[in-house]
Amino acid sequence: GENVEQHPSTLSVQEGDSAVIKCTYSDSASNYFPWYKQELGKGPQLIIDIRSNVGEKKDQRIAVTLNKTAKHFSLHITETQPEDSAVYFCAASKGTGGGADGLTFGKGTHLIIQP
Amino acid sequence: NAGVTQTPKFRILKIGQSMTLQCTQDMNHNYMYWYRQDPGMGLKLIYYSVGAGITDKGEVPNGYNVSRSTTEDFPLRLELAAPSQTSVYFCASSYGGLLEKLFFGSGTQLSVL
Repeated sequence: GENVEQHPSTLSVQEGDSAVIKCTYSDSASNYFPWYKQELGKGPQLIIDIRSNVGEKKDQRIAVTLNKTAKHFSLHITETQPEDSAVYFCAASKGTGGGADGLTFGKGTHLIIQP
Repeated sequence: NAGVTQTPKFRILKIGQSMTLQCTQDMNHNYMYWYRQDPGMGLKLIYYSVGAGITDKGEVPNGYNVSRSTTEDFPLRLELAAPSQTSVYFCASSYGGLLEKLFFGSGTQLSVL
């Protein structure tokens, strides 16, 4: 099955600096790559996603890049703010419609924004 | 608009007890999922449903059961609770499967002692 590795497990950056979280996946058939943000005591929330026919996608301060050849994708957050502090999960899916191998999550990155 | 609602938020069970985690969504989503989240780990799929009356196993189904009698509700049943089932449980829904945005509930923190 699919295996998603996520690094680093913890990332501390100064407010205003950029943060980058990286993920690799093993199954070349994966074609959908979402990123979820989980604040303390809450459920994960989708913040951005990218599909395999696109190399980069941006939404204000957040961007995701995808390298299908190398099988890795990254989340970039610029001008970090205190409210960006959370746990971020990457995931990969083959889009089989909900099967057991449909969506595999990384183990998460705890992003800490230092004031 | 409530989204995905889970109850209870917290529960402590004794080994061997049973309980049902409730999940309901008001977005008319066809797909619903149950995940468990252990410390330092990603989310693992327990069971999922592609519509009323249809359920299937995920990656870690042992010790759990589900039913989907309506589009809105997708309860998760724990029979004979074990310490290994201590976890945070999330229910989620989506309109069009796993290539679409998942909407998560706020979670149920379960401890089995």
